[in-house]
Amino acid sequence: DSGVTQTPKHLITATGQRVTLRCSPRSGDLSVYWYQQSLDQGLQFLIQYYNGEERAKGNILERFSAQQFPDLHSELNLSSLELGDSALYFCASSVAGGNTDGKTKNIQYFGAGTRLSVL
Amino acid sequence: EDQVTQSPEALRLQEGESSSLNCSYTVSGLRGLFWYRQDPGKGPEFLFTLYSAGEEKEKERLKATLTKKESFLHITAPKPEDSATYLCAVQARSGGSNYKLTFGKGTLLTVNP
Repeated sequence: DSGVTQTPKHLITATGQRVTLRCSPRSGDLSVYWYQQSLDQGLQFLIQYYNGEERAKGNILERFSAQQFPDLHSELNLSSLELGDSALYFCASSVAGGNTDGKTKNIQYFGAGTRLSVL
Repeated sequence: EDQVTQSPEALRLQEGESSSLNCSYTVSGLRGLFWYRQDPGKGPEFLFTLYSAGEEKEKERLKATLTKKESFLHITAPKPEDSATYLCAVQARSGGSNYKLTFGKGTLLTVNP
């Protein structure tokens, strides 16, 4: 058990709908990352939050947004869903991700993921 | 742009047959190279992190090594429970997204009894 909790485990929805994925980081971790994993693309970085603030963006669509709350949990919102959005969505957390450095603080621990199926 | 290439894409071994997985990378200053194990339908599980050329890490039947251009994951006398996808990722030292991980597509390892 990595200590990172993601809910729900599975989501089945229709095209055009909106869903919210939730992530609780490991105790003490300030940074949360969201990744998308599809069969053809592998794991792709979407977005990072550090202590409540957006820190970095990757290949995240405009239809997708995220936030990190004061208790450090994070939510990824996916809207106007398309068939191609079907994938595994992973959340990871680490201690570092802001202005601090330190080897073990950079290790990202992943949750079990949310499998999204858009029909 | 950071790039990670893993080979082979798939590897089938007999129990006890040692082998190595390769991870070649291009990154603008390496903060760290990470190995993860991923079982079907589960999240990546952290195995090792390496920071500088020449560094080695070991855990049970696995040993990871790092050079300036690639990393190897050596598997000694594997068992069926070592079957999984092994992912390599790099973290760059500089740039706006310098804490994100850039992953390779993985090597699917199957160990037959």
